[in-house]
Amino acid sequence: GESVGLHLPTLSVQEGDNSIINCAYSNSASDYFIWYKQESGKGPQFIIDIRSNMDKRQGQRVTVLLNKTVKHLSLQIAATQPGDSAVYFCAENMNGAGSYQLTFGKGTKLSVIP
Amino acid sequence: DAGVTQSPTHLIKTRGQQVTLRCSPKSGHDTVSWYQQALGQGPQFIFQYYEEEERQRGNFPDRFSGHQFPNYSSELNVNALLLGDSALYLCASSLGRSGRGWETQYFGPGTRLLVL
Repeated sequence: GESVGLHLPTLSVQEGDNSIINCAYSNSASDYFIWYKQESGKGPQFIIDIRSNMDKRQGQRVTVLLNKTVKHLSLQIAATQPGDSAVYFCAENMNGAGSYQLTFGKGTKLSVIP
Repeated sequence: DAGVTQSPTHLIKTRGQQVTLRCSPKSGHDTVSWYQQALGQGPQFIFQYYEEEERQRGNFPDRFSGHQFPNYSSELNVNALLLGDSALYLCASSLGRSGRGWETQYFGPGTRLLVL
């Protein structure tokens, strides 16, 4: 769902289950995408990135999928752990247009139930 | 390997005052970007500094200014503070000399500013 003001979309998952966090990005010219994890009181932490010439990229326990046709990005976390509880942001960049800024989505709060 | 550091961690100011926030980039990085994060929102880009020059600016008024030093550290200055400037201010560093805009930006812990 969409967030309004302070109300972030929330995803609750059981420990050990897989999590899927979705993001609809805004600009079809964006060519670089990043997922960040932000724990309470901390700065965003880099998780994984993907360029627009790829559809899928895997890291340790995480996979990012990119669907440029519908401007959709997803982050899959395997075997979710309590330490994964945080707010997750997707960010996009238009490097091909000479832009250096990251544009962030609204974020999704992941809560892991032990 | 030192990550991105920011100071101070917290700051309280009153309306109309001026504030300076500081950032030291990750070892080996030469580019610093500043973001403002309001409560419950994603970070918003303020500007980026590379080679001691402002390379790109977001949609923020001139009250927001910055500086980058020869050692790549950076300052963010905000003049004539408004209540709405209360936020978490994040610094991110990256390697800019490659010329590729998609160098990963690594964030510091932020400075939480409260304007009363």
